[in-house]
Amino acid sequence: EPEVTQTPSHQVTQMGQEVILRCVPISNHLYFYWYRQILGQKVEFLVSFYNNEISEKSEIFDDQFSVERPDGSNFTLKIRSTKLEDSAMYFCASSGGVRFGYTFGSGTRLTVV
Amino acid sequence: QKEVEQNSGPLSVPEGAIASLNCTYSDRGSQSFFWYRQYSGKSPELIMFIYSNGDKEDGRFTAQLNKASQYVSLLIRDSQPSDSATYLCAVNILYNFNKFYFGSGTKLNVKP
Repeated sequence: EPEVTQTPSHQVTQMGQEVILRCVPISNHLYFYWYRQILGQKVEFLVSFYNNEISEKSEIFDDQFSVERPDGSNFTLKIRSTKLEDSAMYFCASSGGVRFGYTFGSGTRLTVV
Repeated sequence: QKEVEQNSGPLSVPEGAIASLNCTYSDRGSQSFFWYRQYSGKSPELIMFIYSNGDKEDGRFTAQLNKASQYVSLLIRDSQPSDSATYLCAVNILYNFNKFYFGSGTKLNVKP
Protein backbone atom coordinates (compact mmCIF):
# COMPACT_ATOMS: atom_id res chain seq x y z
CA GLU A 1 0.00 0.00 0.00
CA PRO A 2 1.38 3.46 -0.91
CA GLU A 3 2.85 5.40 1.97
CA VAL A 4 3.75 8.92 2.92
CA THR A 5 7.32 8.87 4.19
CA GLN A 6 8.68 11.36 6.70
CA THR A 7 12.22 11.93 7.88
CA PRO A 8 13.64 12.20 10.42
CA SER A 9 11.38 10.39 12.86
CA HIS A 10 12.77 12.42 15.73
CA GLN A 11 14.65 15.71 15.70
CA VAL A 12 16.11 17.49 18.70
CA THR A 13 17.22 21.05 18.13
CA GLN A 14 18.28 24.04 20.14
CA MET A 15 16.01 27.04 20.40
CA GLY A 16 16.72 29.51 17.61
CA GLN A 17 18.06 26.90 15.21
CA GLU A 18 16.56 26.13 11.81
CA VAL A 19 15.05 22.74 11.11
CA ILE A 20 13.83 21.14 7.92
CA LEU A 21 11.31 18.34 8.08
CA ARG A 22 11.06 16.17 5.01
CA CYS A 23 8.23 14.28 3.43
CA VAL A 24 7.75 12.17 0.36
CA PRO A 25 4.03 12.16 -0.49
CA ILE A 26 2.29 9.40 -2.40
CA SER A 27 3.40 9.76 -5.99
CA ASN A 28 0.09 10.39 -7.74
CA HIS A 29 -1.33 12.67 -5.08
CA LEU A 30 -1.82 16.33 -5.84
CA TYR A 31 -2.60 17.89 -2.47
CA PHE A 32 -0.06 18.11 0.31
CA TYR A 33 -0.40 19.21 3.88
CA TRP A 34 1.43 19.78 7.10
CA TYR A 35 -0.31 19.33 10.40
CA ARG A 36 1.07 19.33 13.91
CA GLN A 37 0.00 17.82 17.18
CA ILE A 38 1.30 19.09 20.48
CA LEU A 39 1.40 16.26 23.01
CA GLY A 40 -2.11 15.53 24.27
CA GLN A 41 -3.74 18.11 22.05
CA LYS A 42 -5.65 18.30 18.78
CA VAL A 43 -4.25 17.73 15.36
CA GLU A 44 -3.85 21.29 14.02
CA PHE A 45 -3.72 22.40 10.41
CA LEU A 46 -0.61 24.31 9.35
CA VAL A 47 -0.60 24.59 5.59
CA SER A 48 -1.91 23.10 2.38
CA PHE A 49 -0.05 23.02 -0.91
CA TYR A 50 -1.40 22.46 -4.38
CA ASN A 51 -0.06 23.11 -7.85
CA ASN A 52 3.30 24.18 -6.45
CA GLU A 53 1.98 26.88 -4.22
CA ILE A 54 0.45 27.38 -0.81
CA SER A 55 -3.32 27.23 -1.07
CA GLU A 56 -4.06 27.94 2.56
CA LYS A 57 -2.24 28.47 5.82
CA SER A 58 -3.29 28.79 9.41
CA GLU A 59 -2.45 31.45 11.99
CA ILE A 60 0.22 29.11 13.34
CA PHE A 61 2.03 29.20 10.01
CA ASP A 62 3.75 32.55 10.47
CA ASP A 63 6.87 33.96 8.83
CA GLN A 64 9.04 31.45 10.65
CA PHE A 65 7.54 28.64 8.59
CA SER A 66 7.95 27.87 4.92
CA VAL A 67 7.23 24.94 2.64
CA GLU A 68 8.80 23.79 -0.57
CA ARG A 69 8.48 21.07 -3.13
CA PRO A 70 12.00 21.34 -4.45
CA ASP A 71 12.19 18.43 -6.85
CA GLY A 72 8.73 17.08 -7.65
CA SER A 73 8.84 14.35 -5.06
CA ASN A 74 9.94 15.83 -1.72
CA PHE A 75 7.82 18.22 0.31
CA THR A 76 9.58 20.07 3.08
CA LEU A 77 8.61 22.18 6.06
CA LYS A 78 11.21 24.62 7.31
CA ILE A 79 11.11 26.36 10.66
CA ARG A 80 13.61 29.19 10.55
CA SER A 81 14.16 29.96 14.21
CA THR A 82 12.64 27.36 16.45
CA LYS A 83 10.94 28.18 19.72
CA LEU A 84 10.21 25.92 22.66
CA GLU A 85 6.51 25.96 21.76
CA ASP A 86 7.30 24.47 18.35
CA SER A 87 7.91 21.15 20.07
CA ALA A 88 5.28 18.82 18.65
CA MET A 89 4.68 15.93 16.33
CA TYR A 90 4.61 17.17 12.75
CA PHE A 91 2.60 15.16 10.27
CA CYS A 92 2.81 15.40 6.53
CA ALA A 93 -0.24 14.23 4.59
CA SER A 94 -1.20 13.88 0.98
CA SER A 95 -4.43 13.34 -0.85
CA GLY A 96 -5.56 12.50 -4.34
CA GLY A 97 -8.82 14.30 -3.65
CA VAL A 98 -9.92 15.70 -0.36
CA ARG A 99 -13.25 13.86 -0.42
CA PHE A 100 -11.30 10.66 0.10
CA GLY A 101 -9.33 11.78 3.11
CA TYR A 102 -5.66 12.10 3.71
CA THR A 103 -2.91 9.61 4.08
CA PHE A 104 -0.68 10.72 6.91
CA GLY A 105 3.00 10.05 7.23
CA SER A 106 4.37 8.51 10.40
CA GLY A 107 5.38 11.92 11.72
CA THR A 108 8.47 13.74 12.93
CA ARG A 109 8.71 14.38 16.62
CA LEU A 110 10.39 17.77 17.02
CA THR A 111 11.84 18.60 20.40
CA VAL A 112 13.16 22.12 20.91
CA VAL A 113 15.44 22.51 23.93
CA GLN B 1 -15.11 29.27 14.12
CA LYS B 2 -15.34 25.77 12.74
CA GLU B 3 -15.80 23.44 15.70
CA VAL B 4 -15.69 19.71 15.83
CA GLU B 5 -16.53 18.36 19.25
CA GLN B 6 -15.89 14.95 20.69
CA ASN B 7 -16.14 13.56 24.19
CA SER B 8 -12.57 12.99 25.27
CA GLY B 9 -13.42 9.83 27.18
CA PRO B 10 -12.03 7.45 28.05
CA LEU B 11 -14.80 5.22 26.82
CA SER B 12 -14.40 1.75 28.28
CA VAL B 13 -16.14 -1.25 26.77
CA PRO B 14 -15.65 -4.98 27.32
CA GLU B 15 -14.24 -7.11 24.57
CA GLY B 16 -16.94 -8.17 22.13
CA ALA B 17 -19.23 -5.25 22.89
CA ILE B 18 -20.26 -2.41 20.59
CA ALA B 19 -18.35 0.82 21.03
CA SER B 20 -20.19 3.98 20.02
CA LEU B 21 -18.21 7.14 19.35
CA ASN B 22 -19.86 10.45 18.65
CA CYS B 23 -18.90 13.73 17.04
CA THR B 24 -20.77 16.96 16.51
CA TYR B 25 -19.85 19.80 14.21
CA SER B 26 -20.94 23.38 14.02
CA ASP B 27 -20.68 24.33 10.35
CA ARG B 28 -23.68 23.36 8.23
CA GLY B 29 -21.48 23.69 5.16
CA SER B 30 -19.58 20.60 6.22
CA GLN B 31 -19.45 18.15 3.39
CA SER B 32 -17.24 15.18 4.14
CA PHE B 33 -16.69 13.40 7.41
CA PHE B 34 -13.86 11.15 8.38
CA TRP B 35 -12.94 8.88 11.23
CA TYR B 36 -9.29 8.34 12.00
CA ARG B 37 -7.75 6.01 14.55
CA GLN B 38 -4.61 7.14 16.34
CA TYR B 39 -2.51 4.89 18.52
CA SER B 40 -0.37 6.64 21.10
CA GLY B 41 2.66 8.23 19.49
CA LYS B 42 1.56 7.24 15.99
CA SER B 43 0.00 9.06 13.08
CA PRO B 44 -3.74 9.11 12.38
CA GLU B 45 -4.94 6.25 10.22
CA LEU B 46 -8.07 6.63 8.10
CA ILE B 47 -10.83 4.20 9.03
CA MET B 48 -13.83 5.48 7.13
CA PHE B 49 -15.35 8.47 5.40
CA ILE B 50 -18.97 9.33 4.80
CA TYR B 51 -20.71 12.19 3.04
CA SER B 52 -24.31 11.10 2.66
CA ASN B 53 -26.91 10.93 5.39
CA GLY B 54 -27.42 7.47 6.78
CA ASP B 55 -25.16 4.55 7.54
CA LYS B 56 -22.06 3.27 5.87
CA GLU B 57 -20.64 -0.10 6.87
CA ASP B 58 -17.16 -1.47 6.42
CA GLY B 59 -16.44 -4.70 8.23
CA ARG B 60 -16.86 -4.16 11.97
CA PHE B 61 -17.15 -0.40 11.51
CA THR B 62 -20.29 1.59 10.76
CA ALA B 63 -20.29 5.34 10.27
CA GLN B 64 -23.56 7.18 10.74
CA LEU B 65 -24.23 10.69 9.51
CA ASN B 66 -27.13 12.97 10.39
CA LYS B 67 -26.65 16.34 8.75
CA ALA B 68 -29.88 17.79 10.15
CA SER B 69 -28.64 17.18 13.69
CA GLN B 70 -25.01 17.83 12.74
CA TYR B 71 -23.53 14.70 14.16
CA VAL B 72 -21.55 11.80 12.91
CA SER B 73 -20.89 8.63 14.83
CA LEU B 74 -18.74 5.54 14.57
CA LEU B 75 -19.86 2.14 15.79
CA ILE B 76 -17.34 -0.60 16.33
CA ARG B 77 -18.89 -4.04 16.60
CA ASP B 78 -17.23 -6.95 18.37
CA SER B 79 -14.67 -4.60 19.91
CA GLN B 80 -11.18 -6.02 20.34
CA PRO B 81 -8.38 -4.91 22.68
CA SER B 82 -6.48 -3.89 19.52
CA ASP B 83 -9.19 -1.29 18.90
CA SER B 84 -8.00 0.58 21.98
CA ALA B 85 -6.85 3.93 20.60
CA THR B 86 -7.94 7.52 20.22
CA TYR B 87 -10.55 8.06 17.52
CA LEU B 88 -10.46 11.37 15.71
CA CYS B 89 -13.38 12.87 13.86
CA ALA B 90 -12.47 15.17 10.98
CA VAL B 91 -14.69 17.38 8.88
CA ASN B 92 -14.16 19.01 5.52
CA ILE B 93 -16.04 22.18 4.62
CA LEU B 94 -17.78 22.41 1.25
CA TYR B 95 -16.24 25.70 0.20
CA ASN B 96 -12.80 24.93 1.59
CA PHE B 97 -11.34 21.79 0.16
CA ASN B 98 -7.94 22.60 1.52
CA LYS B 99 -8.16 21.35 5.06
CA PHE B 100 -9.88 19.29 7.64
CA TYR B 101 -10.99 20.34 11.06
CA PHE B 102 -10.20 17.72 13.64
CA GLY B 103 -11.90 17.01 16.91
CA SER B 104 -9.77 16.41 19.96
CA GLY B 105 -10.50 12.69 19.86
CA THR B 106 -12.16 10.10 22.04
CA LYS B 107 -9.98 7.60 23.83
CA LEU B 108 -11.39 4.08 23.63
CA ASN B 109 -10.33 1.31 26.00
CA VAL B 110 -11.46 -2.21 25.16
CA LYS B 111 -11.00 -4.46 28.18
CA PRO B 112 -10.24 -8.15 27.63
